[in-house]
Amino acid sequence: SQQGEEDPQALSIQEGENATMNCSYKTSINNLQWYRQNSGRGLVHLILIRSNEREKHSGRLRVTLDTSKKSSSLLITASRAADTASYFCATDARTGANNLFFGTGTRLTVIP
Amino acid sequence: KAGVTQTPRYLIKTRGQQVTLSCSPISGHRSVSWYQQTPGQGLQFLFEYFSETQRNKGNFPGRFSGRQFSNSRSEMNVSTLELGDSALYLCASSLVQGINEQYFGPGTRLTVT
Repeated sequence: SQQGEEDPQALSIQEGENATMNCSYKTSINNLQWYRQNSGRGLVHLILIRSNEREKHSGRLRVTLDTSKKSSSLLITASRAADTASYFCATDARTGANNLFFGTGTRLTVIP
Repeated sequence: KAGVTQTPRYLIKTRGQQVTLSCSPISGHRSVSWYQQTPGQGLQFLFEYFSETQRNKGNFPGRFSGRQFSNSRSEMNVSTLELGDSALYLCASSLVQGINEQYFGPGTRLTVT
């Protein structure tokens, strides 16, 4: 299976702290994406990083990608209670098709 | 622009029945993908449609099928429901085929009893 894994499975931090989530995957990729999911609802796209990029920023989000280690990390700085959600990494299948392989997710709780 | 809409939002069915779920993509988006989300298996790709054609299929039995209409709206059908089909079914649309960011709907929560 190409499904990735996130680490940790759950993370609890105080508001204002930084949160780091890691993702490992198994096969070569074109792109890696991060999504957020609020409890039992649809996913929201956060950021896409291409395989030839090493780091990308978007607001309070910073994503890194290490293709040699087949891993990525998502850093949320100055966390807010509204950041409480599950975060998933998703990789493509390098086939040009639109199917994504999602990781197992990290459940982030930000305590006000 | 309106987001991706899915109907119904919640559904309760009994084993052996069939169900049809509907997804309306963002206006102008031509690719629609379906995913199943369960606590045990996580998010798994079901299939993708582009220009009314199934372009890719995940590893699901033939009881799971879908179609796409000329206006890009899509439906998925599950026949002979099993307890294990209880899940959140998510639809996602993107502008074109190929890996792009996908826009997800709120999902249909299916419970099979």
